[in-house]
Amino acid sequence: DSGVTQTPKHLITATGQRVTLRCSPRSGDLSVYWYQQSLDQGLQFLIQYYNGEERAKGNILERFSAQQFPDLHSELNLSSLELGDSALYFCASSVRLASNTGELFFGEGSRLTVL
Amino acid sequence: SQQGEEDPQALSIQEGENATMNCSYKTSINNLQWYRQNSGRGLVHLILIRSNEREKHSGRLRVTLDTSKKSSSLLITASRAADTASYFCAMETGANNLFFGTGTRLTVIP
Repeated sequence: DSGVTQTPKHLITATGQRVTLRCSPRSGDLSVYWYQQSLDQGLQFLIQYYNGEERAKGNILERFSAQQFPDLHSELNLSSLELGDSALYFCASSVRLASNTGELFFGEGSRLTVL
Repeated sequence: SQQGEEDPQALSIQEGENATMNCSYKTSINNLQWYRQNSGRGLVHLILIRSNEREKHSGRLRVTLDTSKKSSSLLITASRAADTASYFCAMETGANNLFFGTGTRLTVIP
């Protein structure tokens, strides 16, 4: 058990809908990362937050948004869903900004299926 | 886009044999990490090697890093069926994020 909690574990929805994925980082971890893993794209970095502030952005679509709250939990919002958004979405946390000592702790992921 | 690529994409070996996976990347890095993922599960950190290190060991794992060639390798010695998983290298860049390679799927046959 990594200590990172993601909900929901599974989610099935229709195209055009909006969903919210939730992540609680390990106790004491200030950084939260979101990744998307699909069969044909591997593990894609989406966005990183540190202590409530956005610190790095990767291949995140404009239809997607995220935030980190004062209690350090984070939410990833996916809107106007398309079939291609079906994937495993991982949240990971670390103690601080990755700065030569960074090790990420991953949650078990949220599997999103868009029909 | 992917920052790293792993080779081979898939590897099948007999229990007891050694498994070697290679990772190549494109940008300068602060460190390189290796992770393991059992099917459909979260990734688990295995080992981290800093950019000024050339080799590191942890149990049955041996990692090398050649920054001049922008490449790394992960060696798993005396493999076990329980080592069956996907293995990913991940590059920590100066932008404070971690980019993952494409992964190697290892199958260890009992």
